Amino acid sequence: DTEVTQTPKHLVMGMTNKKSLKCEQHMGHRAMYWYKQKAKKPPELMFVYSYEKLSINESVPSRFSPECPNSSLLNLHLHALQPEDSALYLCASSQGGQGTYEQYFGPGTRLTVT
Amino acid sequence: AQSVTQPDIHITVSEGASLELRCNYSYGATPYLFWYVQSPGQGLQLLLKYFSGDTLVQGIKGFEAEFKRSQSSFNLRKPSVHWSDAAEYFCAVKGNFGNEKLTFGTGTRLTIIP
Repeated sequence: DTEVTQTPKHLVMGMTNKKSLKCEQHMGHRAMYWYKQKAKKPPELMFVYSYEKLSINESVPSRFSPECPNSSLLNLHLHALQPEDSALYLCASSQGGQGTYEQYFGPGTRLTVT
Repeated sequence: AQSVTQPDIHITVSEGASLELRCNYSYGATPYLFWYVQSPGQGLQLLLKYFSGDTLVQGIKGFEAEFKRSQSSFNLRKPSVHWSDAAEYFCAVKGNFGNEKLTFGTGTRLTIIP
């Protein structure tokens, strides 16, 4: 089973709201990722968690706050977003570590900021 | 730093015809290479991967890709396309020194005509 699940599928939020995106995998993977994808563009890496520790932050604004409660779950907390943050947010996971491991992606959350 | 170039932004192919999508990479050593497919509004699905060994790799949905070190290429092929193959295709490269970052090309949009 190579499934990564994401909730919600769609989210509309105002600029003053606080919301969270959730991602879950049960493949025993130890690396998890958040990507942002704008229309007609490739995914852009935001954060990487490796063994539940934040290992990469691609200079993402602080209005995006990741959290990895355990090895199966990854959250992205959103606060005071801007309309330009509207995008498809993708979660991915891989076995992690130093190996040659592929990333498996979830279906994404379509976020609209009004 | 690693990079990927997909020279074709958009390709149109007749159903039943053969397909080749081009991908060129830049990396100082042997890279790890991937092809992903994305249907509109969906996540990315891994089609195939190359880590080492046989330079012709088979993937899902009847796709294959060939790694050519001399040309720094990893082109994706399919002998006969189906209407359901219409999607966006991304080539990606990952370094082999434990770096978890995946670098994507800009993508090729495939349209299938009857």
